[in-house]
Amino acid sequence: DAGVIQSPRHEVTEMGQEVTLRCKPISGHNSLFWYRQTMMRGLELLIYFNNNVPIDDSGMPEDRFSAKMPNASFSTLKIQPSEPRDSAVYFCASSLMEVQYFGPGTRLTVT
Amino acid sequence: AQTVTQSQPEMSVQEAETVTLSCTYDTSESDYYLFWYKQPPSRQMILVIRQEAYKQQNATENRFSVNFQKAAKSFSLKISDSQLGDAAMYFCAYKIPGGGADGLTFGKGTHLIIQP
Repeated sequence: DAGVIQSPRHEVTEMGQEVTLRCKPISGHNSLFWYRQTMMRGLELLIYFNNNVPIDDSGMPEDRFSAKMPNASFSTLKIQPSEPRDSAVYFCASSLMEVQYFGPGTRLTVT
Repeated sequence: AQTVTQSQPEMSVQEAETVTLSCTYDTSESDYYLFWYKQPPSRQMILVIRQEAYKQQNATENRFSVNFQKAAKSFSLKISDSQLGDAAMYFCAYKIPGGGADGLTFGKGTHLIIQP
């Protein structure tokens, strides 16, 4: 029984480069969430989708961040251009009811 | 806006003993969900236990139990018979009901150390 799958697990990139993080939710789940974890700010909700439709993107920090969910089994979070302050762990989570199940996270380092 | 506060940045307990992690929250809602998640060094977020606000009975999962005090807006986690594998960051989280389509609000976390 596969859980939430995220790729890559680690990403190191240079400032100014485009970064794309990927997520495959648990099959049958209809809600998908993107969170960011940093030492300073803790875990923050960036955006979430319900039935592939973005519901609330108020947590997206800047226009450099964008997220898509083209179908029920795939979502991307893109940062363009990336900056050193974007360095963090990015989690994807999915749910059917109230409990959210998290992926292993992507550790992003922007140098 | 809802807020979740974990006032203990770090806790330490001897193996086999009991420890309680504190969490308070602020909300004007009458119905909501509360969760405790565990994050070991692998960084995977693992659900430990959940509580529905409309249920008066405290949730229990094996060695993990909660003390939910709705009027005081308090939601503490008790770990009995602590084991080395319990060492992790523990996050308290809040969510309003919505069939799943609402995000979690997290506290800053408590780092739990298990002394052998």
